[in-house]
Amino acid sequence: EPEVTQTPSHQVTQMGQEVILRCVPISNHLYFYWYRQILGQKVEFLVSFYNNEISEKSEIFDDQFSVERPDGSNFTLKIRSTKLEDSAMYFCASSDFDSGGPYNEQFFGPGTRLTVL
Amino acid sequence: AQTVTQSQPEMSVQEAETVTLSCTYDTSENNYYLFWYKQPPSRQMILVIRQEAYKQQNATENRFSVNFQKAAKSFSLKISDSQLGDTAMYFCAFESFGNEKLTFGTGTRLTIIP
Repeated sequence: EPEVTQTPSHQVTQMGQEVILRCVPISNHLYFYWYRQILGQKVEFLVSFYNNEISEKSEIFDDQFSVERPDGSNFTLKIRSTKLEDSAMYFCASSDFDSGGPYNEQFFGPGTRLTVL
Repeated sequence: AQTVTQSQPEMSVQEAETVTLSCTYDTSENNYYLFWYKQPPSRQMILVIRQEAYKQQNATENRFSVNFQKAAKSFSLKISDSQLGDTAMYFCAFESFGNEKLTFGTGTRLTIIP
């Protein structure tokens, strides 16, 4: 069964450094998402991406964050200058929302744990 | 803005018993979807069950069923004949009709005791 994959599983970085988190969505999906989960807190929406542009973003997704689909398979989240509070689990998700289905079932990856020191 | 509340941070139940996880939400919208996601210790979230707000009939998927009370804005998950593999974090989530993002609750950590 196709699934969303994410690399790396764990990333440790120094405050102020740039990190890129990578995701490979399910191949026929057209909508892509990033969510994050700070330890012990709820999963929070960051951004959605469709047709090579951001379709919606939350207030968390400020200028330090960017997303890109550099090729036909990868979807990346870049944090330009990491802060301590960026430490969290980052989940990628994808969906075939555009297929005309009645609802948007999102398929999640296993997550990347980002630790900012 | 929508909010989702799960008031039970942790629950445990004996194997083969039935357990109910609670979820309430707040929205001014009339058309939306509600979901329960399961996040096992391996941490990949998977969809357990969904409910369309316009449907009065409660959704059922094998041992999983929901009690959807639209007026009360309540959406509980019942797991019957619980199994060890049901041990996981369970998240309730809301999605507006035609929208893309999911709004999650804080989750309930469910442990099935052998």
